Amino acid sequence: AQTVTQSQPEMSVQEAETVTLSCTYDTSESDYYLFWYKQPPSRQMILVIRQEAYKQQNATENRFSVNFQKAAKSFSLKISDSQLGDAAMYFCAYRKHNTNAGKSTFGDGTTLTVKP
Amino acid sequence: ETGVTQSPTHLIKTRGQQVTLRCSSQSGHNTVSWYQQALGQGPQFIFQYYREEENGRGNFPPRFSGLQFPNYSSELNVNALELDDSALYLCASSSPPRGSGGELFFGEGSRLTVL
Repeated sequence: AQTVTQSQPEMSVQEAETVTLSCTYDTSESDYYLFWYKQPPSRQMILVIRQEAYKQQNATENRFSVNFQKAAKSFSLKISDSQLGDAAMYFCAYRKHNTNAGKSTFGDGTTLTVKP
Repeated sequence: ETGVTQSPTHLIKTRGQQVTLRCSSQSGHNTVSWYQQALGQGPQFIFQYYREEENGRGNFPPRFSGLQFPNYSSELNVNALELDDSALYLCASSSPPRGSGGELFFGEGSRLTVL
C-alpha cells in the first residue's frame, strides 16, 4: 500500500522569508501524481501545486515550487516570500495513475505559522 | 461556478445512532469522493461515486455507505455510530474519474461529534 509521510508536524517562517516543507512517500508504481494541498483554518482545502511523476522538471506556481526526487521518493514544497495568508495546514498527497481520481493518499499534514 | 457545498457543518450524535451527510458537487463535476479527517491527521479515503455507482472504496466497514443522485450530489451514511467516528468528513468533487491527474475540489466539511 502507498504511504505518505510528512515528518514536520509544525513549521514556522518569518514573513517574506522562504520555508520548505518535507514529504516522502512509498510506492512500487512508476507512474503517479503528487500534490500539495493547503487547508486554512475552517476553510476549504485547495490545491497548491501538482507534479506528474513522469515529468523530470519540477513544478512551479508563482511563489510555490517543488523539489521532486523520484529515486529518493521525496517531494518537498518550497514557499518563497512567505505571506501571512500562507498560514495553514499543508498536506502532501499521492495518487496512482489510472486510478479513481478521488482515491488519494494523504500525509498527516504540516501546520505552517507565518510570523509578521 | 458553484463550488462544493456540504451540510450540515456541525452535528452531535450519540453512540449507536445513524447520520447522513450531504454534498453538492462543483458545477460540471460528475465524480464525488468522501474522506474522513480525524483530529490531527490527514484525510482518509472512504469511497468514490461516479454515475451513481460506488467506484472505489477505502478501508472502511460496510456501515459507511453512500449514494449519488442524477444531479451528481451525494450522501454519506454512517450507521451504528462509534466514538472513533468523530471527525471532519470532507466531500470532494472531480471530473473525470480516472487517470487525469486532476485536482480534487473540496467542501468545507461536516464536523461530526459522537458522544
